[in-house]
Amino acid sequence: GDSVTQMEGPVTLSEEAFLTINCTYTATGYPSLFWYVQYPGEGLQLLLKATKADDKGSNKGFEATYRKETTSFHLEKGSVQVSDSAVYFCALTTNPRSGGSNYKLTFGKGTLLTVNP
Amino acid sequence: NAGVTQTPKFQVLKTGQSMTLQCAQDMNHEYMSWYRQDPGMGLRLIHYSVGAGITDQGEVPNGYNVSRSTTEDFPLRLLSAAPSQTSVYFCASRGLAGVITDTQYFGPGTRLTVL
Repeated sequence: GDSVTQMEGPVTLSEEAFLTINCTYTATGYPSLFWYVQYPGEGLQLLLKATKADDKGSNKGFEATYRKETTSFHLEKGSVQVSDSAVYFCALTTNPRSGGSNYKLTFGKGTLLTVNP
Repeated sequence: NAGVTQTPKFQVLKTGQSMTLQCAQDMNHEYMSWYRQDPGMGLRLIHYSVGAGITDQGEVPNGYNVSRSTTEDFPLRLLSAAPSQTSVYFCASRGLAGVITDTQYFGPGTRLTVL
């Protein structure tokens, strides 16, 4: 079945440091890939997405590139801020019309990021 | 346009009690789903629906029932609450018209404690 493996946390960085959170996946068909962010006490918000190989998703200074050859979708940001402290989830969904199993969203376990001033 | 709404935000139950978590969306999305979030486990799919009258089980369906009588609403029922159901529950929805609409939108969550 579909699965997502992401870097275990927690990750603690100083403000303005470079961030990478690794994510790899296994899926049938051609998945769409997502990063969701959950700020303390809140629900999940879509951070960025990519729907086909070599696409780059970007938002709020975060980027991730859909790498089909390495089945990866690593999240990066060049200079983190205290306000980026949150839990980050990598996820995928597959479309039955493109060979996937169903429409469900499969999540990694989440990575807690803490950014210190 | 309120998006995905969930009620209540917090709930405390005693073991054996029943309750319904409400979820509604106003985006005319065909697909709706329920997840539970537990520490170190990420989000796990409980039940989902691809349209009114159609529901199916996810990874962890035991102890939960769902129904989908309208496009807008997708309630989650706990028939006899157990401490193992203490969790944060998220409802989500998405359109099914194509790749461009494959983003899922999440509600704010319901924090449930079963004593």
